[in-house]
Amino acid sequence: QKEVEQNSGPLSVPEGAIASLNCTYSDRGSQSFFWYRQYSGKSPELIMFIYSNGDKEDGRFTAQLNKASQYVSLLIRDSQPSDSATYLCAVHLDSSYKLIFGSGTRLLVRP
Amino acid sequence: GAGVSQSPSNKVTEKGKDVELRCDPISGHTALYWYRQSLGQGLEFLIYFQGNSAPDKSGLPSDRFSAERTGGSVSTLTIQRTQQEDSAVYLCASSWGNSNQPQHFGDGTRLSIL
Repeated sequence: QKEVEQNSGPLSVPEGAIASLNCTYSDRGSQSFFWYRQYSGKSPELIMFIYSNGDKEDGRFTAQLNKASQYVSLLIRDSQPSDSATYLCAVHLDSSYKLIFGSGTRLLVRP
Repeated sequence: GAGVSQSPSNKVTEKGKDVELRCDPISGHTALYWYRQSLGQGLEFLIYFQGNSAPDKSGLPSDRFSAERTGGSVSTLTIQRTQQEDSAVYLCASSWGNSNQPQHFGDGTRLSIL
């Protein structure tokens, strides 16, 4: 079992819809969780981080964390074609500096 | 600039040559990381530096790979006797020292071994 798992996609949504990206992790002691966006040929760009159970909102983005279920998600409201990218979930293991990355979910927003 | 700076942005070299990749972290960030990303793949951790502590080299794939960080700032990743399988994008990231802080990435060096 991979430590951080994501559906590779592509996830295709129409412009204006809500895109829901999901990530599960195996280490129950994980403490902090990050979402990065990576455009083709570019480096990962941090868009959200969350440490506590519940929701965290920033503009059109909402991160949701459920530690009991070992599940973290990213919602993108009012999706735009410019949101089309690969979204990487990353997890800090308990008391570790290492970020473990999922393989990413490719999102396509159709105009 | 305020971000992580990497050079060169692209490097093409012949198999068997040595290469050096440079990373200049965000000012004030004490933690520095190197990752490798092969085409269509996820990020592979290579090495981690934190302040004056001994680096964590557990992700280096072979003894041809080495890295150093001078003065707690700039880091150099060296690959000796390059092989075709070393072709990838090499990404550097930095963060504040606490383990749960977000990492910020540079634009990467795209390495191609002919």
